Amino acid sequence: SAVISQKPSRDICQRGTSLTIQCQVDSQVTMMFWYRQQPGQSLTLIATANQGSEATYESGFVIDKFPISRPNLTFSTLTVSNLSPEDSSIYLCSVEGNRGHEETQYFGPGTRLLVL
Amino acid sequence: AQTVTQSQPEMSVQEAETVTLSCTYDTSESDYYLFWYKQPPSRQMILVIRQEAYKQQNATENRFSVNFQKAAKSFSLKISDSQLGDAAMYFCAYRTSQGGSEKLVFGKGTKLTVNP
Repeated sequence: SAVISQKPSRDICQRGTSLTIQCQVDSQVTMMFWYRQQPGQSLTLIATANQGSEATYESGFVIDKFPISRPNLTFSTLTVSNLSPEDSSIYLCSVEGNRGHEETQYFGPGTRLLVL
Repeated sequence: AQTVTQSQPEMSVQEAETVTLSCTYDTSESDYYLFWYKQPPSRQMILVIRQEAYKQQNATENRFSVNFQKAAKSFSLKISDSQLGDAAMYFCAYRTSQGGSEKLVFGKGTKLTVNP
């Protein structure tokens, strides 16, 4: 499986500001995914990011709040804009597995965000 | 839409004993994938085991095995010879095999405690 890193690992932000999270993979992948895990909850997909095209957002998530970039096959960013305390969550990126295991997703370590 | 249900918010097991975590799902599809992920406290989400719905044989990975009952839409995880390091949140997840919808649908998770 791919090695996935995320930056920052954690952050504390003031309401009204924005945080950009980076996700780096050690191999080229077609699809990258961004999930949110609210405190004590399960994971919910925010959007799917393909290189060279606009991200596809799930119901309840909009581009103005969660803009995503995917400049190449190994990197993506998720920005959480106009932060409010309700945005306090863990944000995780994931990628599909290698050839033959594309249906399996592997996760980065996550970014823990606290909004004050 | 597919749903995944984990009816046990918390489970506990004695070290070296066996525990089974339950998962049921709802889908109208005949071909799909099922996963169990493990998330230790403040640590990365990792894949435990995967099952392809068209395969009747239950998947096994060392001490971890599944009981896949397709007709009953049940996908339980058995952990044998439980170890202290098995303590974590365990998430059951579903993925369609159809192209264009690669997202994982997660259950709410089961918190497993391993008692020494």
